Amino acid sequence: GQQVMQIPQYQHVQEGEDFTTYCNSSTTLSNIQWYKQRPGGHPVFLIQLVKSGEVKKQKRLTFQFGEAKKNSSLHITATQTTDVGTYFCAGDRGSTLGRLYFGRGTQLTVWP
Amino acid sequence: GAGVSQTPSNKVTEKGKYVELRCDPISGHTALYWYRQSLGQGPEFLIYFQGTGAADDSGLPNDRFFAVRPEGSVSTLKIQRTERGDSAVYLCASSVLGGRVNNEQFFGPGTRLTVL
Repeated sequence: GQQVMQIPQYQHVQEGEDFTTYCNSSTTLSNIQWYKQRPGGHPVFLIQLVKSGEVKKQKRLTFQFGEAKKNSSLHITATQTTDVGTYFCAGDRGSTLGRLYFGRGTQLTVWP
Repeated sequence: GAGVSQTPSNKVTEKGKYVELRCDPISGHTALYWYRQSLGQGPEFLIYFQGTGAADDSGLPNDRFFAVRPEGSVSTLKIQRTERGDSAVYLCASSVLGGRVNNEQFFGPGTRLTVL
């Protein structure tokens, strides 16, 4: 079964609107990573969160790791057409060094 | 510098045939991962190498799948007696150390396998 749940599966927004994707794990995670995959491309690393309650920002992107280290979110402020793609969270459950459990992804479409 | 490369980019084969997929990681990266991605899904872990040895192969679906990394760099994923359900994009990724922290994974472009 799926180890890491991610919602929503699809999100369509008008350019300039905000976007959030959520990730939940049934077990406590050692750390969580976020990746972006453009249409026809491969996953590209965005960030890694390690500490409970951690918040990191990259320009318009804000990443959070829950206090219990079971959930995470990615928020994009004022989306742009360049933000189009599928965003994946990937959890490290601490069982095997470096093994990641990917969520199903949230496919973001931005209308100009 | 060069990123992770994978060959072939596309592979079409017939049911029952044997295929080999190759991954050339970033030079100096000790950790190498194989994933499989089906349409609309996230990458699914198959196997992880630390150096030459398979540190975790629990994601391999069955004994038709096997992977090697004999010299700690290039890796080959081998699939015997292919089935239509094996059709997917096979992704390879590498990271510097493969540890728990700062183990950003760099993905290759993938090999799209189609089994007819």
